Amino acid sequence: GAVVSQHPSWVICKSGTSVKIECRSLDFQATTMFWYRQFPKQSLMLMATSNEGSKATYEQGVEKDKFLINHASLTLSTLTVTSAHPEDSSFYICSARDGGTYGYTFGSGTRLTVV
Amino acid sequence: AQSVTQPDIHITVSEGASLELRCNYSYGATPYLFWYVQSPGQGLQLLLKYFSGDTLVQGIKGFEAEFKRSQSSFNLRKPSVHWSDAAEYFCAVGETNRDDKIIFGKGTRLHILP
Repeated sequence: GAVVSQHPSWVICKSGTSVKIECRSLDFQATTMFWYRQFPKQSLMLMATSNEGSKATYEQGVEKDKFLINHASLTLSTLTVTSAHPEDSSFYICSARDGGTYGYTFGSGTRLTVV
Repeated sequence: AQSVTQPDIHITVSEGASLELRCNYSYGATPYLFWYVQSPGQGLQLLLKYFSGDTLVQGIKGFEAEFKRSQSSFNLRKPSVHWSDAAEYFCAVGETNRDDKIIFGKGTRLHILP
């Protein structure tokens, strides 16, 4: 079945630094990728939608200059948390949509801790 | 815009008992509906999905869900739960527009009693 690889699975960084999270579709071409954020014991909140080769569409309230999304190819999207602060600590999950089957596959998530 | 409501934050059932997790959605057109399961600290695993056709959908791990348009519901069921079913369950609805994003409910935490 479809597999989405997300790296790193966890990362600890210092306040003020930037962190990049990668999301790769391993055996299908992902026409659209989605980035979610999940606080402890809460649901997934959609942050942005990215289509290959175009700018990401951010949900209301999400700072596009802080959460940079790049979808340079049909198999790779990256989320960069710039100038991270402790309040950015969260679980980030990507999802890739297979344009051929309308299937959504999720990555295993990245636990970001900003100290 | 679409929305998803999971009215039960926690559900506790005994091992071997039947299970039903409720999900109601709000969407103007025919929705795409999903149920996902998440274990602590893990990503999401798709249990089943409904796009069209037969309103009773069979999924993995013995789960099934029934789409009822008149009630705007997509409840998840399992006839006999196992201790390994303890997890967080999310219902989600997909938009059938250009972005095709999916929106999640708040989730239901399932606890299993031995």
